[in-house]
Amino acid sequence: SQTIHQWPATLVQPVGSPLSLECTVEGTSNPNLYWYRQAAGRGLQLLFYSVGIGQISSEVPQNLSASRPQDRQFILSSKKLLLSDSGFYLCAWSGYRTGELFFGEGSRLTVL
Amino acid sequence: GENVEQHPSTLSVQEGDSAVIKCTYSDSASNYFPWYKQELGKRPQLIIDIRSNVGEKKDQRIAVTLNKTAKHFSLHITETQPEDSAVYFCAASSVNRDDKIIFGKGTRLHILP
Repeated sequence: SQTIHQWPATLVQPVGSPLSLECTVEGTSNPNLYWYRQAAGRGLQLLFYSVGIGQISSEVPQNLSASRPQDRQFILSSKKLLLSDSGFYLCAWSGYRTGELFFGEGSRLTVL
Repeated sequence: GENVEQHPSTLSVQEGDSAVIKCTYSDSASNYFPWYKQELGKRPQLIIDIRSNVGEKKDQRIAVTLNKTAKHFSLHITETQPEDSAVYFCAASSVNRDDKIIFGKGTRLHILP
């Protein structure tokens, strides 16, 4: 069966520090991969999605970036965090043209 | 791009009554409409979905309806129970185009005893 792992679960970082959140999927190949952010208002904002290695689409201009160095690995990064980057970050995967998203357990980021 | 609007943002219903959450979308190419439930502190999970070739789908106490002409779809929960209390998200996607899945802002559903 397929599983998705996301880490770290909780992160407290100072403003201006770098960020790296990692997500891996097991049990499937060539998944679509997504990063969403859920701010205090609870909406799920799509940040990045990828349909293959090296193929990243950005939905929101910001100081975050994403990379997909391997088929089942998706990384969310920032060189310098802002206060507004605080939130709950969710990685997710779906099969090609199947639609259903499977979410990781999330990473709660607090920027102080 | 796709834009999904969801109403209401908060909904309180008496236990046993029905709850209805409504969403509209903007992209006529969207053809897949899932609903997710997120309990406090947990990840969202799919509860029901509908594709554009179907007008209604039911799964026990949950049903979803789709009106492609009007570009809106709704979630109906009947005989609500305390465990239905959660945040519900609708979403829209074009799975034949780019698989991008856009969510509404969510509805916090409270089931009152």
